[in-house]
Amino acid sequence: AQSVAQPEDQVNVAEGNPLTVKCTYSVSGNPYLFWYVQYPNRGLQFLLKYITGDNLVKGSYGFEAEFNKSQTSFHLKKPSALVSDSALYFCAVRDLIKAAGNKLTFGGGTRVLVKP
Amino acid sequence: GAGVSQSPSNKVTEKGKDVELRCDPISGHTALYWYRQSLGQGLEFLIYFQGNSAPDKSGLPSDRFSAERTGGSVSTLTIQRTQQEDSAVYLCASSHAGPGYEQYFGPGTRLTVT
Repeated sequence: AQSVAQPEDQVNVAEGNPLTVKCTYSVSGNPYLFWYVQYPNRGLQFLLKYITGDNLVKGSYGFEAEFNKSQTSFHLKKPSALVSDSALYFCAVRDLIKAAGNKLTFGGGTRVLVKP
Repeated sequence: GAGVSQSPSNKVTEKGKDVELRCDPISGHTALYWYRQSLGQGLEFLIYFQGNSAPDKSGLPSDRFSAERTGGSVSTLTIQRTQQEDSAVYLCASSHAGPGYEQYFGPGTRLTVT
């Protein structure tokens, strides 16, 4: 079965500092990996995905993530955080084996608080 | 363009009543998904539609939950005889067919069972 772990419930960072949100995954086959962000009382917004190719993927709002197969990780990063980046971040995985179906499995979420 | 829309945005119902939640996907998206977001359980997959068919219903928590999709577009999630543990935010998402496409989420319906 596929699973995702986000080990930090909350990450605090000062504005202008680098931001990292950690994610590790477990799948039976090969993974497709996604990051989403959720602002208060809003649905999830897609940030970026890893399908194949370069391990470093770039997404919306200056975010990027690095796929590391040996460590089964897909950490989200932003070089310089903004106060407006304060939100709830979800990592998700889709296992490509047929038995897993088409669903996304989400981590528990990490709340990011960027202080001015 | 228009995103995924859901209605109602909020629903308060009494225990034992039936409720219907509606999802309008992005035009042209053949895949549609329902998820449930609650404090204790995080984001849980409920059901997946490809066109009007539901090849994966594995996340429906009980037979009180059902969903249908008509015309390859609008979907309705029905919860019969609601229980307090059904209280959650119900999220709908749509995407193009294929595992590599990202899902686009609606704003959700917050269901409160009293």
